[in-house]
Amino acid sequence: KAGVTQTPRYLIKTRGQQVTLSCSPISGHRSVSWYQQTPGQGLQFLFEYFSETQRNKGNFPGRFSGRQFSNSRSEMNVSTLELGDSALYLCASLYDAGVAHNEQFFGPGTRLTVL
Amino acid sequence: DAKTTQPNSMESNEEEPVHLPCNHSTISGTDYIHWYRQLPSQGPEYVIHGLTSNVNNRMASLAIAEDRKSSTLILHRATLRDAAVYYCILRDSNAGGTSYGKLTFGQGTILTVHP
Repeated sequence: KAGVTQTPRYLIKTRGQQVTLSCSPISGHRSVSWYQQTPGQGLQFLFEYFSETQRNKGNFPGRFSGRQFSNSRSEMNVSTLELGDSALYLCASLYDAGVAHNEQFFGPGTRLTVL
Repeated sequence: DAKTTQPNSMESNEEEPVHLPCNHSTISGTDYIHWYRQLPSQGPEYVIHGLTSNVNNRMASLAIAEDRKSSTLILHRATLRDAAVYYCILRDSNAGGTSYGKLTFGQGTILTVHP
């Protein structure tokens, strides 16, 4: 079974630009979550999509948005990039069986650098 | 989510056992204890989880204190590949479906394994 894939793996943008990152979950997984990882703040939850609906949201500004398609693939978008948005963006998929303790499967991440 | 406390770093020698502690004094009766680890340049990966009883799997063992206020992840024979950041996370089974895709990471324990 293929794992979680994220594209692109590396991205360089300049301040003010926008960026779209993509995530393909494990087949059969309908939940996709996004995380931001920085040296200062660690791993922080951005949002989760389940069956094309945002199910949960972290404490990030509205510049961070996402969506999920009918095939469960998800994209996240960051508009008006700031230097502080430089981070590793991780996507995770989950088989939601209606229990709280199923494991999340993480992708390798997209390394975003904002110049 | 209830808070966990872990040592910032630990060191071990290859092929020796490693005991990684986690304190969670405010744990509730419905909180599962999860462990994830993040190898260098990779996304986090699930290691093990438990509720009350000790648990074993092919990767590790989880020892849970009788009062559940602390737990210990045990790597029986550390290898160089086990060098990673280990995260202890609590997941509330009563929090409802909207929380299933959200993991709250702390700073974790950086494990260094010496040859």
